[in-house]
Amino acid sequence: AQKVTQAQTEISVVEKEDVTLDCVYETRDTTYYLFWYKQPPSGELVFLIRRNSFDEQNEISGRYSWNFQKSTSSFNFTITASQVVDSAVYFCALTANSGYALNFGKGTSLLVTP
Amino acid sequence: NAGVTQTPKFRVLKTGQSMTLLCAQDMNHEYMYWYRQDPGMGLRLIHYSVGEGTTAKGEVPDGYNVSRLKKQNFLLGLESAAPSQTSVYFCASEASYKQYFGPGTRLTVT
Repeated sequence: AQKVTQAQTEISVVEKEDVTLDCVYETRDTTYYLFWYKQPPSGELVFLIRRNSFDEQNEISGRYSWNFQKSTSSFNFTITASQVVDSAVYFCALTANSGYALNFGKGTSLLVTP
Repeated sequence: NAGVTQTPKFRVLKTGQSMTLLCAQDMNHEYMYWYRQDPGMGLRLIHYSVGEGTTAKGEVPDGYNVSRLKKQNFLLGLESAAPSQTSVYFCASEASYKQYFGPGTRLTVT
């Protein structure tokens, strides 16, 4: 069975603060894929990143960075210098294979205030 | 290239009514999925399809039926709507381990 836990239900920060969203996963598969999606107030799901289990390199994309650690089964997401436009619900998700559905965490609601 | 589209965007049903949600993708993807999103629950899989003519149950299939008669379309049916089916429904198609989501359908059952 697979499970994704996002323990932080809601986070509120002031603009320009750094914020880290936690994601802990459980799986018995040796090959798996981890994802982060953003859901802004408009409701659509925006793909942010995919990482496979064999690639533990951290990734940086602009103000976004991801820290994948197999030893702790975590795939955390950091936003540097947060902006109001970062306000959204962020979902971490896991799948073992193509053709398998994503197992989503319950999401973390991030509010960035001016 | 429209990606994944969903029809309708909003709908209000009375208990016991039926309806069909349509998902269409123009990316020639084999895999398609229907999820529902409820507050505080994340997205949960209702049904999925790994190819034309095939469907399978997901985590929360009760009260729903699906059909995949054409590769590009994946239909989700509610035969007798219940208030517990009030939710936002997302369709997705997948290729190369990446899922592409539609804009969602907000369904209210009164």
